[in-house]
Amino acid sequence: DAKTTQPPSMDCAEGRAANLPCNHSTISGNEYVYWYRQIHSQGPQYIIHGLKNNETNEMASLIITEDRKSSTLILPHATLRDTAVYYCIVSTGNQFYFGTGTSLTVIP
Amino acid sequence: GAVVSQHPSWVICKSGTSVKIECRSLDFQATTMFWYRQFPKQSLMLMATSNEGSKATYEQGVEKDKFLINHASLTLSTLTVTSAHPEDSSFYICSAKVWGTVTGELFFGEGSRLTVL
Repeated sequence: DAKTTQPPSMDCAEGRAANLPCNHSTISGNEYVYWYRQIHSQGPQYIIHGLKNNETNEMASLIITEDRKSSTLILPHATLRDTAVYYCIVSTGNQFYFGTGTSLTVIP
Repeated sequence: GAVVSQHPSWVICKSGTSVKIECRSLDFQATTMFWYRQFPKQSLMLMATSNEGSKATYEQGVEKDKFLINHASLTLSTLTVTSAHPEDSSFYICSAKVWGTVTGELFFGEGSRLTVL
């Protein structure tokens, strides 16, 4: 079962940063936070994952709170192609259960 | 990133027939593959986890005799929907975990859309 809570939808202006929150208050010490996104009718795409330190890659940044009960995915300069459903998942790496995700719409 | 390929990408079949969907990891070995199904406007639901050379582990409520999963090699897993019915119409997605990684990311196929008439 999914152990995360995300807002169902968000809008973001093109070129601005998109900040997508995720609550995972029951996360265990050995569980990582993963972010994936799914563009309509395609398979999900990996974005980033982390344990407790903040992480950054070419796609996004992941900020995890010190108590690890929540995290934020940051897309620094959102483009129209970033419109998708974003899923936050906590997992030890063995099984991945998807929650309902956040539908992000980037507005021109 | 690693590539996972699914085939066919879409299939239409008659009720009562069986349909096989293949999932291949093209440039890496996958010890573990996962099968999901997704209904319109819903999230992905994990159906089963398959490990190479062993029986798949099915999630609660998923009929193992209806959804046959075979993971015969480190690069191929198949899902067979037996005696398909219209309610089995869905988007089926496989994913693979890179062999040797503990916490690495999953790579997903493009999905296979099944329509049962």
